[in-house]
Amino acid sequence: DGGITQSPKYLFRKEGQNVTLSCEQNLNHDAMYWYRQDPGQGLRLIYYSQIVNDFQKGDIAEGYSVSREKKESFPLTVTSAQKNPTAFYLCASSLGTSGTPDTQYFGPGTRLTVL
Amino acid sequence: QKEVEQNSGPLSVPEGAIASLNCTYSDRGSQSFFWYRQYSGKSPELIMSIYSNGDKEDGRFTAQLNKASQYVSLLIRDSQPSDSATYLCAVNSGYSTLTFGKGTMLLVSP
Repeated sequence: DGGITQSPKYLFRKEGQNVTLSCEQNLNHDAMYWYRQDPGQGLRLIYYSQIVNDFQKGDIAEGYSVSREKKESFPLTVTSAQKNPTAFYLCASSLGTSGTPDTQYFGPGTRLTVL
Repeated sequence: QKEVEQNSGPLSVPEGAIASLNCTYSDRGSQSFFWYRQYSGKSPELIMSIYSNGDKEDGRFTAQLNKASQYVSLLIRDSQPSDSATYLCAVNSGYSTLTFGKGTMLLVSP
C-alpha cells in the first residue's frame, strides 16, 4: 500500500533530551513537510524539503533540525533548544511538481509529550 | 504575514441539514485552496481542492471560491453525524507551501 508512515505514534521525552521523529513515504513524492499542531490551533510549518539534500525553514524552525538524505525519508529532530515541544507532529508529502497546484497528504502523526 | 481566517465554532447543525463553512485569506496572489477534515486525535485528510472561481462539487461536498472577495467556502449537504470533525482551510502561500487556518469544529446532531 502506498502511503506515509510516522513513528512512533506516541513519544515521551524528558526535558533536555533530543528526540527524532521518523517520517517515511512510498508515494514517490519529491516534497516533504513537517508541521506542528497545538490544541485548538492550525498547522504551523516547521521545515520542508522539495528535493533530496535540500530543505528550507518554515515559520517555526527554531529548536528543530531535519535531514533529507533519501527521497523516501524526512526525519525531524526536536532538540533541547525547543522550549515547548509538547505537541502533535504531522509529516506530509506532495508531488512537488513545479508550476502546478500541489496537494499535500498527511501521515498519521506523532504525539510528543515532554515530562 | 499571510493569514487564513476561520470561525472556530462549534458550528452545530441537525442531521440532514446543510453545513456551511467559511474561510478568508489575506494573500491576493494565492492560487490553490484546500479543505481538510480532521477527526479528534487524527491527522488531516483531504476533502477537496479548488483552483478557479466558482463552485466545485464532489458528492455531498461543494467548494466555492471567490478570489475577488478572498474567500473560500465548503458546503456539506445532508450532513451526517460522521461529518462531525474540525475542518481546516489551507491556502498556498508560495511554491508548494500551505498556510492553514485554525479550523472550524462542526457538530452534527442526530
